[in-house]
Amino acid sequence: NAGVMQNPRHLVRRRGQEARLRCSPMKGHSHVYWYRQLPEEGLKFMVYLQKENIIDESGMPKERFSAEFPKEGPSILRIQQVVRGDSAAYFCASSRPLAGNQETQYFGPGTRLLVL
Amino acid sequence: AQSVTQLGSHVSVSEGALVLLRCNYSSSVPPYLFWYVQYPNQGLQLLLKYTSAATLVKGINGFEAEFKKSETSFHLTKPSAHMSDAAEYFCAVSNTGGGNKLTFGTGTQLKVEL
Repeated sequence: NAGVMQNPRHLVRRRGQEARLRCSPMKGHSHVYWYRQLPEEGLKFMVYLQKENIIDESGMPKERFSAEFPKEGPSILRIQQVVRGDSAAYFCASSRPLAGNQETQYFGPGTRLLVL
Repeated sequence: AQSVTQLGSHVSVSEGALVLLRCNYSSSVPPYLFWYVQYPNQGLQLLLKYTSAATLVKGINGFEAEFKKSETSFHLTKPSAHMSDAAEYFCAVSNTGGGNKLTFGTGTQLKVEL
C-alpha cells in the first residue's frame, strides 16, 4: 500500500510565477491536509479538505493561495505570483474519515519550494 | 485555541543514555497528543499518539510518552539512545471537538553522540 505521494519533491520558481503542488492521499483516505514548514520552524496548518469540499482553510493566506481536492485526481495546492517568503517545505497529510476517534494523519515526503 | 511548547530546540545525548524530549500543551478541551519524527529531507512519521485511553503510550522504536494532565505535559522518552534516533522530533496537539488539524511545536533536534 503506497503512502502519501507528493510531487514534485523540489520546485524552483522565479518571483511572480505560479507554483502547483500535488498530493495523492493513501488508498482509502478521503481527507487531505496541507501544512507549511518554514526554515527553522514547526509545521503550520494551512487547509483541510475532503473530496470536492474545503472544510477548514483558517491557515491559508488570504491572497495568492488556493487548494482543491477534486472528485478524481490529486489534491492541488496552488500559489500564484510567488514571492521569496513562500520558500518553504509544503507537506500533505491524509487520513481516513473521522470515526469518533482521532484518525492518524500520514504525511508525504513534502515539496520543497524555492523562490528565486 | 491550542498550543504546544517544546523546551529545548536542541538536545544532545550519548549513545545508550536516556532520551527525554519535553512537550507541554495548552488546550481548552481534552486534547489528542502526538509525537512525530522527521529525518532530513523526509516527511513526518508518527511515533505515538494519546487519545484519552492509557496515559502511558508506547510507540515505535522503543519510544514512549506519558500524558500528565496536572502538568499539561506529554514528554517523550526512550531508555537507551541509538545513533539512528538522531532526527527532529515534533509534538502536536489536536482537539476532540471535531476537525483534525494539528498544531505543532517548533521541534527538538536530537543529536546522539558516541
